[in-house]
Amino acid sequence: KNEVEQSPQNLTAQEGEFITINCSYSVGISALHWLQQHPGGGIVSLFMLSSGKKKHGRLIATINIQEKHSSLHITASHPRDSAVYICAVPDYGGSQGNLIFGKGTKLSVKP
Amino acid sequence: KAGVTQTPRYLIKTRGQQVTLSCSPISGHRSVSWYQQTPGQGLQFLFEYFSETQRNKGNFPGRFSGRQFSNSRSEMNVSTLELGDSALYLCASSLRQVATGELFFGEGSRLTVL
Repeated sequence: KNEVEQSPQNLTAQEGEFITINCSYSVGISALHWLQQHPGGGIVSLFMLSSGKKKHGRLIATINIQEKHSSLHITASHPRDSAVYICAVPDYGGSQGNLIFGKGTKLSVKP
Repeated sequence: KAGVTQTPRYLIKTRGQQVTLSCSPISGHRSVSWYQQTPGQGLQFLFEYFSETQRNKGNFPGRFSGRQFSNSRSEMNVSTLELGDSALYLCASSLRQVATGELFFGEGSRLTVL
């Protein structure tokens, strides 16, 4: 059964800083999800990736299948990036099964 | 394109009652999955329905159940409510099953059990 670890749990940054959030898992997977949750509850899917790198605006996600590790980067951070970032993977790896979630990284970007 | 719609958004129940939550997915999406979020446990997977069949189920007691209709709309039901069932319940829809499909979440239904 997969185990997922996220780091750091909390992160405070100044506006404009480059931010990295990490996610490690224990069982090989078909795809990994990065999610964003703003205060108030709504969750938005940022990326789903199975290999390499994806970019959307100031957000970049990378995944290393061999090392079972993914990173989410935010360039030129802004206060509106303040949110909880959560990674999720299939519980038994592969392309079937439930999703399990990291505990989340709470990001606060100060102006 | 309409997003995922969850109803009701807020509800208050008392212990022992039951509750039914509804989720209308994005048109064309066949997968609907349900999640419970609490401050202590974080996000947890409840179950997934794909083309009216339950495909996956998380580690929750039998009091939690669900179904999916032919139009892909889904409901989840919690019977004999306990205080610990107070949580934000989220659903997500996807073209493919959750392991490999991009997820589109609803705003959630916030349940308070008194």
